[in-house]
Amino acid sequence: GENVEQHPSTLSVQEGDSAVIKCTYSDSASNYFPWYKQELGKGPQLIIDIRSNVGEKKDQRIAVTLNKTAKHFSLHITETQPEDSAVYFCAASKGAVSGTYKYIFGTGTRLKVLA
Amino acid sequence: DGGITQSPKYLFRKEGQNVTLSCEQNLNHDAMYWYRQDPGQGLRLIYYSQIVNDFQKGDIAEGYSVSREKKESFPLTVTSAQKNPTAFYLCASNEAGYTEAFFGQGTRLTVV
Repeated sequence: GENVEQHPSTLSVQEGDSAVIKCTYSDSASNYFPWYKQELGKGPQLIIDIRSNVGEKKDQRIAVTLNKTAKHFSLHITETQPEDSAVYFCAASKGAVSGTYKYIFGTGTRLKVLA
Repeated sequence: DGGITQSPKYLFRKEGQNVTLSCEQNLNHDAMYWYRQDPGQGLRLIYYSQIVNDFQKGDIAEGYSVSREKKESFPLTVTSAQKNPTAFYLCASNEAGYTEAFFGQGTRLTVV
């Protein structure tokens, strides 16, 4: 069936260093790939997303890259700060049927930024 | 402020009881979703609805039921048939034609 593998499950970096989280998806028909940040006890919030017609997207310190051939996509956070500490989820979707996107989520990465 | 409101934040249930989790949104979104989150796992889809009075099963619908009588409301009932209901439940919504899903703050259900 459809699945999304996410690595690593935990990641510790020093403040100011970069962090990279990788995801691999199984369904080649997937065409939308969001990344969510979840802080303790809260719901996930979208931080960046990418569609299959784009190879890379950047928003300030956050970037996402997509390799459709290899079916993997990555989240890059540069100049990490303590407030970046959270759980990050990747997801893959095949697109909307009447506006409904059925996301397949990865298992999450707990990022700790050490001051 | 627009958003999704889940209530209660914490819920305790005795074995054999049904409980209903509330999800309300004022974003005028057509589609709404319920996810379950367990430690060390991703979000798993329970049910989703694209329009009022219509909903579909997700990947783990057994032991759950939903209704969509109003556009802004999508309550989830955890029935006694759900064998392992202790989890963090998240409600989400999105607008037709867009992709971003907005999540509520979650309800943590514990069976005692």
